[in-house]
Amino acid sequence: KNEVEQSPQNLTAQEGEFITINCSYSVGISALHWLQQHPGGGIVSLFMLSSGKKKHGRLIATINIQEKHSSLHITASHPRDSAVYICAAIYGGSQGNLIFGKGTKLSVKP
Amino acid sequence: DTGVSQNPRHKITKRGQNVTFRCDPISEHNRLYWYRQTLGQGPEFLTYFQNEAQLEKSRLLSDRFSAERPKGSFSTLEIQRTEQGDSAMYLCASSLASRSNTQYFGPGTRLTVL
Repeated sequence: KNEVEQSPQNLTAQEGEFITINCSYSVGISALHWLQQHPGGGIVSLFMLSSGKKKHGRLIATINIQEKHSSLHITASHPRDSAVYICAAIYGGSQGNLIFGKGTKLSVKP
Repeated sequence: DTGVSQNPRHKITKRGQNVTFRCDPISEHNRLYWYRQTLGQGPEFLTYFQNEAQLEKSRLLSDRFSAERPKGSFSTLEIQRTEQGDSAMYLCASSLASRSNTQYFGPGTRLTVL
């Protein structure tokens, strides 16, 4: 069964802290997405990864194909980073539909 | 604003009524996806269109659900004889068929069935 597991489910941090959110998946993915969802529902795609590492501003995403694991890091966290972060996989042979994790709710306190 | 719009943003209906939602994707995007998200869960795939053809449907899409994309542009999702369990956020996403297939999500339609 194609599954995506995320941890932790909830995360509270102080402003400035380094944050890591983890995602593990089953074999056979063709790509993995990290998405950000703000209250009210809007989802924004942050990264699409099939190997290695990507960086955008204070956000870094890594993927380890052998270990079937990806991480999203936020450096120098800020209250505006508070959101739900969702990992989603595209499994090989699918039409591109995403299989989502349950999300990690991040709250950054000032 | 990602460029994908959904209407209405909120819908409250009584059990047994029919509802229809609309999604307008980014104009050049040929792929369109519908997802459903219940409280505290990640979204779940419902169905997918490439141009006007509905190519994949999830087992979650019971026979009360129907989706169309008649001209390969906007799409509608209809739920007939709504049930309380249909209460959820219905999300639409569009993409351009490519290696990256980055999906752009609309703001969602929140359905509440009383």
